[in-house]
Amino acid sequence: GENVEQHPSTLSVQEGDSAVIKCTYSDSASNYFPWYKQELGKGPQLIIDIRSNVGEKKDQRIAVTLNKTAKHFSLHITETQPEDSAVYFCETGTYKYIFGTGTRLKVLA
Amino acid sequence: DTAVSQTPKYLVTQMGNDKSIKCEQNLGHDTMYWYKQDSKKFLKIMFSYNNKELIINETVPNRFSPKSPDKAHLNLHINSLELGDSAVYFCASSQELRDEQYFGPGTRLTVT
Repeated sequence: GENVEQHPSTLSVQEGDSAVIKCTYSDSASNYFPWYKQELGKGPQLIIDIRSNVGEKKDQRIAVTLNKTAKHFSLHITETQPEDSAVYFCETGTYKYIFGTGTRLKVLA
Repeated sequence: DTAVSQTPKYLVTQMGNDKSIKCEQNLGHDTMYWYKQDSKKFLKIMFSYNNKELIINETVPNRFSPKSPDKAHLNLHINSLELGDSAVYFCASSQELRDEQYFGPGTRLTVT
């Protein structure tokens, strides 16, 4: 069946460093690739998304890259700040909305 | 103004009871969803409604029954609650399918 693998499950970085989270998917028909940030006690919130006709998208310190051939997409956060600490989820799928297993990012001040 | 709201925020109940969670969105979106997030933070879609019609119905026990009285509301009714139903339930909405989803604050259900 369709699945999405997300790595790493936890990530600790020093403030100011970069963080990269990667997701690999199986559904070759997937064409929408969002990333969500979930803070403690809150619902997930979209931070960036990309569609399959684009290879990369940036929004200030956040970027997403997509490799459709290899079926993976990644979230890049540069110049990390303590407020970036949260759980991050990737998601994709066509008729099924499949979330990755989440990455707990800790930014150490 | 809250975009996607859910009530109640917390729900503690005993096994065997029936309970409902309500969801409302004021974004004018056509599509609404219910997700379950377990204790390990795994997020899994349960249902999706588009224009009040059921679009996605994942492998969910039939004790769970969604109802969409109109495009702005999607309620979740759960019969004969079991311990394994304990989780955080999120409602979400999007303008259309495969579009940005806006999540509610969640309802933490605890079954004792």
